[in-house]
Amino acid sequence: QKEVEQDPGPLSVPEGAIVSLNCTYSNSAFQYFMWYRQYSRKGPELLMYTYSSGNKEDGRFTAQVDKSSKYISLFIRDSQPSDSATYLCARTSRETSGSRLTFGEGTQLTVNP
Amino acid sequence: ETGVTQSPTHLIKTRGQQVTLRCSSQSGHNTVSWYQQALGQGPQFIFQYYREEENGRGNFPPRFSGLQFPNYSSELNVNALELDDSALYLCASSLARLAGGLSSYEQYFGPGTRLTVT
Repeated sequence: QKEVEQDPGPLSVPEGAIVSLNCTYSNSAFQYFMWYRQYSRKGPELLMYTYSSGNKEDGRFTAQVDKSSKYISLFIRDSQPSDSATYLCARTSRETSGSRLTFGEGTQLTVNP
Repeated sequence: ETGVTQSPTHLIKTRGQQVTLRCSSQSGHNTVSWYQQALGQGPQFIFQYYREEENGRGNFPPRFSGLQFPNYSSELNVNALELDDSALYLCASSLARLAGGLSSYEQYFGPGTRLTVT
């Protein structure tokens, strides 16, 4: 079983739709959760990170963590064509030898005008 | 833009050759991590450097090696290139805080180097 599982999509929505992106994880060790956005041929861009269960909001983006079910979500409100990208969820655990990010395989999102 | 730069942007090498990729970390950051991203996949952790020493390694063979310099910039070296090494190589910089142990949760990525092995 992969440490982080993510539906690769592709996901296509009309402009203005609410987008829900989801990941599940298998390891319950001490950890942070991140969402990255990656445009084609670019490096990943950190959108949000959170540690605790519950919601964290930043503009049109909301990150949600449910540690009891090992489920993390990213919601995008009022989606725009500029949101078209691959969204990567990641977790990191504090290990004695530093922190490494473990990524899902990414969900490709297209927002159609 | 994150302030993390990588060079070169693209590279084409032949199987068996050696390659060196370079990364300059964001100002104020002291830790560099390297990741390999195959097409259609999420990035895979190669290793991390802190204070010029390797500080954690993923499931990559010894022919993947690295360096970190006093200015926190870093190099990734790959020897005996194989076709499967073709990928986007990403460098991420972060600030490690020693309180409660080493932690560098917020990692900021550069644009990557696309390596093609033929």
